[in-house]
Amino acid sequence: NAGVTQTPKFQVLKTGQSMTLQCAQDMNHNSMYWYRQDPGMGLRLIYYSASEGTTDKGEVPNGYNVSRLNKREFSLRLESAAPSQTSVYFCASSPRGLAFEQYFGPGTRLTVT
Amino acid sequence: QKEVEQDPGPLSVPEGAIVSLNCTYSNSAFQYFMWYRQYSRKGPELLMYTYSSGNKEDGRFTAQVDKSSKYISLFIRDSQPSDSATYLCAMGDTGRRALTFGSGTRLQVQP
Repeated sequence: NAGVTQTPKFQVLKTGQSMTLQCAQDMNHNSMYWYRQDPGMGLRLIYYSASEGTTDKGEVPNGYNVSRLNKREFSLRLESAAPSQTSVYFCASSPRGLAFEQYFGPGTRLTVT
Repeated sequence: QKEVEQDPGPLSVPEGAIVSLNCTYSNSAFQYFMWYRQYSRKGPELLMYTYSSGNKEDGRFTAQVDKSSKYISLFIRDSQPSDSATYLCAMGDTGRRALTFGSGTRLQVQP
């Protein structure tokens, strides 16, 4: 079991460029999440998907879109990157009804110049 | 004011010491209380969780929840250099599907 995988591991973008962060899990989990982590701010939820076919906004959704492609995959898209989106992005998944039992991927370090 | 407050540290202790990590919160609806450990440049991993008030022990780790004071703690006994990491508290309630995280406390255990 690979658990939660994320690609890419690192990315540098110029302001205005777009990109998609990929996430996949092989644990048959229903729920998936996207967080960003900034110094002193902890983990902040961007979007989550409670089950295949549903997505909901989290605390900081502006500037992002998501797609729950199937049960395994949940992608995060930045349509027009801004320097304020420089951060470390984590994807996580959890079994049905156990939102507290989240399993995290290794993260994507994104720099927007 | 943040819903969950956590001292960022760093907290530096000698090997073998007892470590106490704490979080306070303001939302009385929180029912689930978790501690995640995050090594440098890695994703967080679930260490322990507690439902409602009380204590829970797992090896060298003990989690305590005091809902009346809105205060949770994680104790690490006989701390080891391998415990050096950032510890994140997290909380949730049955209505919300997502967790609220503290900003993390960085712990350094000196050999």
